[in-house]
Amino acid sequence: AQKVTQAQTEISVVEKEDVTLDCVYETRDTTYYLFWYKQPPSGELVFLIRRNSFDEQNEISGRYSWNFQKSTSSFNFTITASQVVDSAVYFCALSEEAGRRALTFGSGTRLQVQP
Amino acid sequence: GAGVSQSPRYKVAKRGQDVALRCDPISGHVSLFWYQQALGQGPEFLTYFQNEAQLDKSGLPSDRFFAERPEGSVSTLKIQRTQQEDSAVYLCASSLITPHEQYFGPGTRLTVT
Repeated sequence: AQKVTQAQTEISVVEKEDVTLDCVYETRDTTYYLFWYKQPPSGELVFLIRRNSFDEQNEISGRYSWNFQKSTSSFNFTITASQVVDSAVYFCALSEEAGRRALTFGSGTRLQVQP
Repeated sequence: GAGVSQSPRYKVAKRGQDVALRCDPISGHVSLFWYQQALGQGPEFLTYFQNEAQLDKSGLPSDRFFAERPEGSVSTLKIQRTQQEDSAVYLCASSLITPHEQYFGPGTRLTVT
């Protein structure tokens, strides 16, 4: 069975600090996909990134970067120079190629960026 | 273009009432998913459609929950004889085809009193 663990329930930082959100996953499939979503106070889930299990290259998009390590089954998300607008709940999710096509979400990490 | 829309945004139902929640996916998206999100939790899968075919309904919590997508576009999630434990946000998501990224609607917040 697939599982996603986000051990950090809540993180509070001051604006301009860097912050890393951890995500550890479990799956039996050799082909799978990892996602990060942002859920701001408005409630709508916003897609941030998708990675497949064969692509371990780290990715950077502006202030956001993602570190995928199959050896430790982790897919961590770093926000550089955080801003108040980054305050939200962030979810890591997994879907399998052969198994259930739906997303299995972690429990989320609430990030609060203080001015 | 337009994103995923859901209606109503809020629904209050008395215990025992039936409710119907609507989802309009992004035009051309083949896959449609329903999730349930309890307060402070991540979304949990309910059911999945590919066009009009319901390929997976393993996440539906009881036989009081029923979903359909008769023409492969709009979908309706129906809950019969609502119970207090059904109170949650119901999210709809669509994707071009799995396993592409899923785009979520704003959700319907259901409160059962």
